[in-house]
Amino acid sequence: DGGITQSPKYLFRKEGQNVTLSCEQNLNHDAMYWYRQDPGQGLRLIYYSQIVNDFQKGDIAEGYSVSREKKESFPLTVTSAQKNPTAFYLCASSNRRGNGEAFFGQGTRLTVV
Amino acid sequence: EDKVVQSPLSLVVHEGDTVTLNCSYEVTNFRSLLWYKQEKKAPTFLFMLTSSGIEKKSGRLSSILDKKELFSILNITATQTGDSAVYLCAVRINTDKLIFGTGTRLQVFP
Repeated sequence: DGGITQSPKYLFRKEGQNVTLSCEQNLNHDAMYWYRQDPGQGLRLIYYSQIVNDFQKGDIAEGYSVSREKKESFPLTVTSAQKNPTAFYLCASSNRRGNGEAFFGQGTRLTVV
Repeated sequence: EDKVVQSPLSLVVHEGDTVTLNCSYEVTNFRSLLWYKQEKKAPTFLFMLTSSGIEKKSGRLSSILDKKELFSILNITATQTGDSAVYLCAVRINTDKLIFGTGTRLQVFP
């Protein structure tokens, strides 16, 4: 089945550690996105990528890094520089042609312990 | 700065009521406006709007866009408890950036 897969579903990290969240899609979409969602809030854009080997900062990029070496994959690294990393992280992808909808993965809940 | 604002932030109604959710935006190079429903984890797509004045409809849900006044509304008629969710509005601009609002939390009680 086509879709977006995020892993892991739950992740625990000690303070001071970097951690990488995985996002893979087999929809042949060019554009991919990472969002952060805090309790009771909407989605805030961290990074997005329109094409392989290119990406742009969103509104809250500080403390995060991404790569886009393959069309199917857009991993997000939460670095120790991110002051408050505990949150729900959602990955999405969309077709650049037309105004296509974005499809979402099931999310990763990151908790810093 | 591009921004999307939704109102109200929260809404509590009884089954059978009709609700209207609002989404206003200020962005450069607008391409489309999208509505999503989020119940637990992944938001699910409801509508995409690109032209003013053309209503999109799916069952009890409908939505319309006003590109002159820069807003959209999502209507839900005869609400049911299964409509309880967070409704998210997003605007896509021509760099493919997709910006979400804060969401409206709808609670429908029997």
